[in-house]
Amino acid sequence: EVQLLESGGGLVQPGGSLRLSCAASGFTCSIYAMSWVRQAPGKGLEWVSGISGSGGNTYYADSVKGRFTVSRDDSKNTLYLQMSSLRAEDTAVYYCAKSRGTTTVVTDYWGQGTLVTVSS
Amino acid sequence: DIQMTQSPSTLSASVGDRVTITCRASQSISSWLAWYQQKSGKAPKLLIYKASSLESGVPSRFSGSGSGTEFTLTISSLQPDDFATYYCQQYDSYSLTFGGGTKVEIK
Repeated sequence: EVQLLESGGGLVQPGGSLRLSCAASGFTCSIYAMSWVRQAPGKGLEWVSGISGSGGNTYYADSVKGRFTVSRDDSKNTLYLQMSSLRAEDTAVYYCAKSRGTTTVVTDYWGQGTLVTVSS
Repeated sequence: DIQMTQSPSTLSASVGDRVTITCRASQSISSWLAWYQQKSGKAPKLLIYKASSLESGVPSRFSGSGSGTEFTLTISSLQPDDFATYYCQQYDSYSLTFGGGTKVEIK
């Protein structure tokens, strides 16, 4: 059974850093594209970052480029999102999601999300 | 970046109604369009991919159509479980973008 379990969210001050983790089970994370998607309170979905399956190419939304870094530890079957220079507008539930196949980026399985609150 | 515009933003309907949601892309995305359903406090659920392909396990009352820049999601007969928010998403480029969402409410 495919499962994605995010962790690492919490309260952080503006300008601070946080690392989110997404532990995957039931599939091999390294051969699928993986994405991070966030949802601010009461708002819609916003794609944040992605990493390709083969090659591990990384991609970012303009809103987080230069501040966030996506990575993957294949030995732990875990996806990460390192977030720095955090702003109030980064406050959101962050979801990790798995691509539907090895040659596509459309997502089929999502985690339950982890809440990041940026506030002083 | 490709912009996705959904309409309407809110829709009031009754059980049994036929419901249509529209999504427009700012440039052609071929058929690289997905539809998701999200219920309050839950992660989104994939309904449709490649504009018209039904994800496994999704009821056949859901259907998608369109290509290029204009797409629709249709629910043929709205059921109580379908009251939720629906999002389109383009995946033509890896800068994935979502529409603003359509909330389907009980009339």
